[in-house]
Amino acid sequence: ETGVTQTPRHLVMGMTNKKSLKCEQHLGHNAMYWYKQSAKKPLELMFVYSLEERVENNSVPSRFSPECPNSSHLFLHLHTLQPEDSALYLCASSQDTGRFQFFGPGTRLTVL
Amino acid sequence: ELKVEQNPLFLSMQEGKNYTIYCNYSTTSDRLYWYRQDPGKSLESLFVLLSNGAVKQEGRLMASLDTKARLSTLHITAAVHDLSATYFCAVDNSRIQGGSEKLVFGKGTKLTVNP
Repeated sequence: ETGVTQTPRHLVMGMTNKKSLKCEQHLGHNAMYWYKQSAKKPLELMFVYSLEERVENNSVPSRFSPECPNSSHLFLHLHTLQPEDSALYLCASSQDTGRFQFFGPGTRLTVL
Repeated sequence: ELKVEQNPLFLSMQEGKNYTIYCNYSTTSDRLYWYRQDPGKSLESLFVLLSNGAVKQEGRLMASLDTKARLSTLHITAAVHDLSATYFCAVDNSRIQGGSEKLVFGKGTKLTVNP
């Protein structure tokens, strides 16, 4: 596999469920990102990891919990989400923060 | 706080015509990116502009950067239907003194090219 991959591509969950989104990059990058893209809002940065350490957290509710076990993998753990959390969640990576970011295909999340 | 504004937000044009999308940003930065997003798909990188006066061209798209005016343009030449997509500009906030390490995206310009 090449580039940035995300699984699952589609996810439907209830408000009481716990699920995780996975992102993997095969580009040798050392920075990874989670973005949320809603129908009516601009692309929102959620979390930034550089060298496996979180460097940015844009006031994201605690029901979203990121994890970066190594520079190639990034997870977003979801717990007791709300219907307004339904969106496309995009993962990206770059060689150092601020460099050109390569995006994964996204996970389309629907919260019922 | 860095703000990035694109205009227009919606653009409907005829095939064969030329048009320009504008991206203004509020604080000086010397690194700007353009992305394309097709409906239901992820973002595809188009250009990175690294200095004042930088110009990049790929096919019918040409991007330029004027850091003094804090303006980037994406010019479309002789549009074709395949160019229909949403185009985003993003400014590197880490290049701004005291800025955090992130890209700030514009709201996107939804381009529709009609036959």
